[in-house]
Amino acid sequence: SQQGEEDPQALSIQEGENATMNCSYKTSINNLQWYRQNSGRGLVHLILIRSNEREKHSGRLRVTLDTSKKSSSLLITASRAADTASYFCATDDYMNRDDKIIFGKGTRLHILP
Amino acid sequence: DSGVTQTPKHLITATGQRVTLRCSPRSGDLSVYWYQQSLDQGLQFLIQYYNGEERAKGNILERFSAQQFPDLHSELNLSSLELGDSALYFCASSVETHRLAGDHPYEQYFGPGTRLTVT
Repeated sequence: SQQGEEDPQALSIQEGENATMNCSYKTSINNLQWYRQNSGRGLVHLILIRSNEREKHSGRLRVTLDTSKKSSSLLITASRAADTASYFCATDDYMNRDDKIIFGKGTRLHILP
Repeated sequence: DSGVTQTPKHLITATGQRVTLRCSPRSGDLSVYWYQQSLDQGLQFLIQYYNGEERAKGNILERFSAQQFPDLHSELNLSSLELGDSALYFCASSVETHRLAGDHPYEQYFGPGTRLTVT
């Protein structure tokens, strides 16, 4: 079953604008990760945020985590054409003592020139 | 380039057949994960191996099996193939595995995938 669910399913914005994607999940987690996937290629890890962190930055990426609402957001600032990709959140399960992480269905981001 | 290799890149086969997908993890990574990605199901975790032993199991069908060899490469075997098995199959690797309290899994490095088409 899907743990994380991204919203929106698809997003088109002009180059230079900021893109915000959201992820909601169901069970308590230890951490949440965001991955990017270019069309038909393997996923690339972007950032990991622990359950005791509220915000994390990496270059033009900003991730927030609200464990009370079981949600996270990924903000990409000053978007570029190369940011066109699908973005997935992935969560573990606090109760499970294994390394399984569950991916959402992703947000397809399209940056318009 | 993630350092994870998968072969073959594409595979076209008929229903009822059996195929083997191969994955070589990054140098030094002990943990291997297999995922299936299809349009309707998204990215589904299938199974994880750590240093040769099965570590976690997800939505893997009984027709599918996997193993990790002493040299740490892994193979995913898909048998009695059905049209619905057509998908991208990804392998990922990570350095370690641990689930101590407060710890977190290492990030996973994904291979380029094998596109399986069952006709």
